[in-house]
Order: sequence, then C-alpha cells, then structure tokens
Amino acid sequence: AQSVTQLDSQVPVFEEAPVELRCNYSSSVSVYLFWYVQYPNQGLQLLLKYLSGSTLVESINGFEAEFNKSQTSFHLRKPSVHISDTAEYFCAVSEREYGNKLVFGAGTILRVKS
Amino acid sequence: DTGVSQDPRHKITKRGQNVTFRCDPISEHNRLYWYRQTLGQGPEFLTYFQNEAQLEKSRLLSDRFSAERPKGSFSTLEIQRTEQGDSAMYLCASSFAGGNEQYFGPGTRLTVT
Repeated sequence: AQSVTQLDSQVPVFEEAPVELRCNYSSSVSVYLFWYVQYPNQGLQLLLKYLSGSTLVESINGFEAEFNKSQTSFHLRKPSVHISDTAEYFCAVSEREYGNKLVFGAGTILRVKS
Repeated sequence: DTGVSQDPRHKITKRGQNVTFRCDPISEHNRLYWYRQTLGQGPEFLTYFQNEAQLEKSRLLSDRFSAERPKGSFSTLEIQRTEQGDSAMYLCASSFAGGNEQYFGPGTRLTVT
C-alpha cells in the first residue's frame, strides 16, 4: 500500500518570492508521482508528473518537482510565485504495475499575498 | 471533447434518502474512477472500471454504495440510506487503460442534512 504525506497544510508567501511545497511518499513498489492543482471552485488539474527518466520535471507555468528516490520525496518548487498561483496543491502516487488508482496527500493550500 | 462531466454539481438530501450521481468520461477513455474528498483531505479512491467491468473497490465503499458502468460509457454512483458522514465531494476521473494521467470532473458536492 502507498501513502503520501504533505508536510504543510498551508503555505503563505509573498508575490514574487520562491516557494517549496513538500511531499513524501511511502510505497513497497515502484510508483508514478504527480502534482495536481485545484483552483478555487474548480476541479483537479494535473500540474506535472514523474514517470521515468530525468528526475526533474517541469510544468508549463514555471513549477518544477524533483523525484528523490533515496528520500522518497517529490517536492514542488517555483522560483517566483504570482497571485494567480493561489490554490490547493495535491501530491499523489500510483503503482506502476497494477491499475492506476491515485493515492493523494491531504493537500497544501498556497496563499500568495501581494 | 469537453472533458469529464458530472451531474448534478450539488445535491442536498435528508438522512436516509437515496441519491445517484452520474459521470460522463472523456469518450475515448476506457477507465473510469470514483473518488471521495472530504473537507481538509485529499481525494480517496472508491472504485474503478475498465470498460463495463468493475475491477477494484475500496474498503471505503460500504454496502450502501454501488457503482455501475453498464455500457462502458457513463457511470453512476448510488448511495442508499445516506448518512451525515456521506457528506463530501464525489469526484470522477477517466483515463486510457494503461495510461498514467487521469482527467477529473468538477465533482458532485453532497450534503446530507
């Protein structure tokens, strides 16, 4: 079984500051890793994913995440946030070999202040 | 394609009543998933279908819950004898079999009074 821990329930940050949202996972099998974003009153959207290959993955809006197998982490970072990045961010894992059900963390609310 | 759609978006019901939700996946997708999200938590897996076959059910899916996908297209999730603890957002997602990216619908928010 897998589990996901998001270490911060809320992260307040000023506009244009850097941010890191932390995610650690536990699994006895190889996994895929995902970050989903949920903007206010909207559905979940995939932000980025790690499947294989380069451990650093990037999104089109400037976020990046790095898969660290030894630390079982997949932290999300952005060097300079915008007000529009205010949302809830969910880290998730799924098994590589069987099915694709996602196991989510509890979420981190990113609040960008001006 | 307009993506995954869910109906209704909101449902208020009294304890003990039955409710049914519908999910229409992206048309080419043969996998369909149901998740439940309560306040302050991430979504939790309930069940999934590949075509019309229900391949896995979570322990969260009590006997009061039943899901169907009769023709391998849309799916319904029924909750019988609703309880206040059933109040949550019910999310549907779809994907290709073997695909690793799930596309989520907007959810159905259930409030049991």
